[in-house]
Amino acid sequence: GAVVSQHPSWVICKSGTSVKIECRSLDFQATTMFWYRQFPKQSLMLMATSNEGSKATYEQGVEKDKFLINHASLTLSTLTVTSAHPEDSSFYICSARRQGGSEQYFGPGTRLTVT
Amino acid sequence: GESVGLHLPTLSVQEGDNSIINCAYSNSASDYFIWYKQESGKGPQFIIDIRSNMDKRQGQRVTVLLNKTVKHLSLQIAATQPGDSAVYFCAEQAYPGSARQLTFGSGTQLTVLP
Repeated sequence: GAVVSQHPSWVICKSGTSVKIECRSLDFQATTMFWYRQFPKQSLMLMATSNEGSKATYEQGVEKDKFLINHASLTLSTLTVTSAHPEDSSFYICSARRQGGSEQYFGPGTRLTVT
Repeated sequence: GESVGLHLPTLSVQEGDNSIINCAYSNSASDYFIWYKQESGKGPQFIIDIRSNMDKRQGQRVTVLLNKTVKHLSLQIAATQPGDSAVYFCAEQAYPGSARQLTFGSGTQLTVLP
């Protein structure tokens, strides 16, 4: 149990376009979901925390108008990268946590390449 | 332009030997620690966790040691296998289930030599 999926697994888009990444908890209800970004040979950096039905909390330095997060249901959160630029190219990983739970279950990641 | 990435610390071990991966954490208020394994192009995979009221915890082929005095965490892998080759991250949290997020360490690249 506790499987988290992401879609797409990889995406290539042109500079200036927007890209939506989905994160789903397949067999549990996730009251909290997290979005991370990981550049090559670096660690995971938290971008934002989202709780179902409320606005996401963004980490310092992360532009909320550029990285739109929606957590409309207990099994789905989306991250939209708006007006993408080559420097947004990265590996985006989500994780999900049950209500009252301690463990975060990670998705397989989405490789975004902006040309 | 292309960003310059950091070089992960690396550890190479012979297949069958034991591996020890170390991690230093900075927040003395952290009460919960987790080790993750990340294979290339995949998300992190939970290995083992430990709370600060313990100094050792064992799993299948893995042991985590916690030294709160020097804020040091280690992961020991017994009889290392080729499938153990990956990047290993430690992560800390204020307490289990905290609204405070996980903070990840910089990671160590483990390579298992045949």
